[in-house]
Amino acid sequence: SQQGEEDPQALSIQEGENATMNCSYKTSINNLQWYRQNSGRGLVHLILIRSNEREKHSGRLRVTLDTSKKSSSLLITASRAADTASYFCATDASGSARQLTFGSGTQLTVLP
Amino acid sequence: GAVVSQHPSWVICKSGTSVKIECRSLDFQATTMFWYRQFPKQSLMLMATSNEGSKATYEQGVEKDKFLINHASLTLSTLTVTSAHPEDSSFYICSAIQREGLRYEQYFGPGTRLTVT
Repeated sequence: SQQGEEDPQALSIQEGENATMNCSYKTSINNLQWYRQNSGRGLVHLILIRSNEREKHSGRLRVTLDTSKKSSSLLITASRAADTASYFCATDASGSARQLTFGSGTQLTVLP
Repeated sequence: GAVVSQHPSWVICKSGTSVKIECRSLDFQATTMFWYRQFPKQSLMLMATSNEGSKATYEQGVEKDKFLINHASLTLSTLTVTSAHPEDSSFYICSAIQREGLRYEQYFGPGTRLTVT
């Protein structure tokens, strides 16, 4: 079932700028993950943040998690044209069979 | 990381025919695999949970007689779209769970694009 909402739905920025995407979810979670998907291709796992973590970094990626607000954000710093893709958050809900529930996604376009 | 493959990567079929999509975990055993469907410009929607040696668990609204899932071995799950119609055209993605003790990782296949004419 679709539980997450992401905003914005679409984001267009210039190369070198930062891109911030937000994700909200509805139920308790074990962890939240962010994925990237290039058009018509499979998913690429970016980063996982556990429910007891508040912030995590990986290269140019910074993820925050606020379990009280049931929200997360993904920040991509110094964006590149190659970052152009759809970005999805996905939650692993507590007590689930480990299936992921995906957010609606943000289409990021980085203009050269 | 572990690798999950899907075959075929794309398929075109005529309305009324059946299509089988394979999902394989190449270097690990997966007792649990998931099947997702993604329509253009939309997110992934979980269709069903595939468990080795038992019946699949389908999400609400997914017809089990139309989308047949068989998880006959620890490295292979198949999704058969029966009597396909144009509205079944979609991107089908599987994932497989690798468990090591209490830890687990989920790996996604590259997807299969189905076009029904």
